[in-house]
Amino acid sequence: EDQVTQSPEALRLQEGESSSLNCSYTVSGLRGLFWYRQDPGKGPEFLFTLYSAGEEKEKERLKATLTKKESFLHITAPKPEDSATYLCAVQGGIFGNEKLTFGTGTRLTIIP
Amino acid sequence: DAMVIQNPRYQVTQFGKPVTLSCSQTLNHNVMYWYQQKSSQAPKLLFHYYDKDFNNEADTPDNFQSRRPNTSFCFLDIRSPGLGDAAMYLCATSRNLQDTQYFGPGTRLTVL
Repeated sequence: EDQVTQSPEALRLQEGESSSLNCSYTVSGLRGLFWYRQDPGKGPEFLFTLYSAGEEKEKERLKATLTKKESFLHITAPKPEDSATYLCAVQGGIFGNEKLTFGTGTRLTIIP
Repeated sequence: DAMVIQNPRYQVTQFGKPVTLSCSQTLNHNVMYWYQQKSSQAPKLLFHYYDKDFNNEADTPDNFQSRRPNTSFCFLDIRSPGLGDAAMYLCATSRNLQDTQYFGPGTRLTVL
């Protein structure tokens, strides 16, 4: 069974204080690892897809990286508007089982 | 802009009174999904449609049903809502089963 564990559960940072969020996973043949941002009371917003170990993707202050066992979401010089819950999900490579398995997320708060 | 739309955003129903949630998409995607998300939990897949083919998750209660009358629309019917069904219901779409899922804004269901 695919599993995703995200840490920490919650993170409070001062504005401008860089940090990283962790997503550890076990999956039968990784097809893709997805990062989403979710604001309170809203649906998840797609950020990145990573497909293979060593891959990196960037968007503004966010950079996602992938190894064979985990992914990191690095946030550089965050601003208050980066406050949200960040969800990680994996998709297995077994035909007929392409559903996403989500972690419970990291709730990020950026303090002005 | 192409998007996933959910109506209503907030729904209040009484214990045992049937309720229907709506999702529409302008992305022309083949797959539509329904997720249930409770506070501080990961989204839980209820079922999905690939075109007209319905796929139910094994642990989805019989109380939850779905209809997809055409490519653009998908409905979630809860036949007899219980207090434990209070949650955020998320609709998502993807071009195919292996592709990135894009979420709507969600419907917050309250059961009195």
